[in-house]
Amino acid sequence: AQKITQTQPGMFVQEKEAVTLDCTYDTSDQSYGLFWYKQPSSGEMIFLIYQGSYDEQNATEGRYSLNFQKARKSANLVISASQLGDSAMYFCAMRDGTYKYIFGTGTRLKVLA
Amino acid sequence: NAGVMQNPRHLVRRRGQEARLRCSPMKGHSHVYWYRQLPEEGLKFMVYLQKENIIDESGMPKERFSAEFPKEGPSILRIQQVVRGDSAAYFCASSPPPFSGSGYNEQFFGPGTRLTVL
Repeated sequence: AQKITQTQPGMFVQEKEAVTLDCTYDTSDQSYGLFWYKQPSSGEMIFLIYQGSYDEQNATEGRYSLNFQKARKSANLVISASQLGDSAMYFCAMRDGTYKYIFGTGTRLKVLA
Repeated sequence: NAGVMQNPRHLVRRRGQEARLRCSPMKGHSHVYWYRQLPEEGLKFMVYLQKENIIDESGMPKERFSAEFPKEGPSILRIQQVVRGDSAAYFCASSPPPFSGSGYNEQFFGPGTRLTVL
């Protein structure tokens, strides 16, 4: 069965430092997509970055990069140069071969001034 | 281009009442998905609808919950006889048809409706 695991309930990072949020996944599908979303305290889900299972290069979007290690089934999110506004819940999600998204339980990131 | 719209943003109901949550997809999107987020948890898939069709309702509780996406108007998630355990955030997402060549089939999420059952 498909599953997303985020083992870090909470993380702290100093402003301007980089931080890595862990995500591992389990699927028997060959074709799948991996997503990261940010959920600030206001509650909306903000799309950050996407990685397809056949993409050979790691995805990058501004300060966000996805460290995709297919053999290890991991899709860690790296945020460089953290900002106070990065404080939020972060969810890793997988879309199976069709349309269904499976979400992890999230990591709460707190950026310290 | 307006994003996915959900209303109300906050809804308070007493036990036994009905809750109706509305979702208007992005312009040009004909596919709608509902997810539920219980406190301190990730989102969980509930149902996938196209206009006038329920495609997959495998995540819907068997009783009291129903969803529709009529030909005209928003998608509605309806919860009858609400109980305290229904308190959660309910997110709607929309997408163009999957595998329509529109990229990686991203679902665009609305701001959510926070349901509180007293």
